[in-house]
Amino acid sequence: QVQLQESGPGLVKPSETLSLTCTVSDGSMRNYFWSWIRQPPGKGLEWMGFIYVGGSTHYNPSLQGRVTISADTSKKQISLTLTSVTAADTAVYYCVSQMATVDYFDYWGQGTLVTVSS
Amino acid sequence: DIQMTQSPSSLSASVGDKVSITCRASQDIGNWLAWYQQTPGKAPKLLIFRASTSQMGVPSRFSGSGFGTDFTLTINGLQPEDFATYYCQQANSFPRTFGQGTKVDI
Repeated sequence: QVQLQESGPGLVKPSETLSLTCTVSDGSMRNYFWSWIRQPPGKGLEWMGFIYVGGSTHYNPSLQGRVTISADTSKKQISLTLTSVTAADTAVYYCVSQMATVDYFDYWGQGTLVTVSS
Repeated sequence: DIQMTQSPSSLSASVGDKVSITCRASQDIGNWLAWYQQTPGKAPKLLIFRASTSQMGVPSRFSGSGFGTDFTLTINGLQPEDFATYYCQQANSFPRTFGQGTKVDI
């Protein structure tokens, strides 16, 4: 069973870059899509994008090119970078896995709250 | 983007009730639909995929139905641990999109 743990700063200043890491335990990173999904306080879920290790990335156009997802298989980590943040980027950020053979998000990290504020 | 609209946004129910939540897609998504349950402070948990297939370990009181644009999540015999927020999500195309959520409370 895949286990996911997000980590990173809980506070980011406006206009700066948000960077989070997801550490994957129990299993290979290959043959999975690794997504980031966020949830503003009291609101719904927004899919930000995914990376398929050794293959492709795909991002939500709503983020207007501000997002990058990368993977380091040697460290078993997935990274999220979001540039030029504003208060609207305040959210709980989830690292989420999806087996390549299925169409649903099967394992979720516990999430990490990032607040954008000066 | 495919818009997912859930109704109602919230509902009040009692233990033992039958509850139905509807999700409508802005275009035909076949059966590419999943349902998730989220309790406060926790990550969402997968309940149903491909519109009607239950994830392993999910109680049989949860069922899903629908095809195309209209889908339903039904809980037969609400239990105390079922008071939560439920989200639908389409897996037909990118970007993946979620409904706005339905909060089920007492």
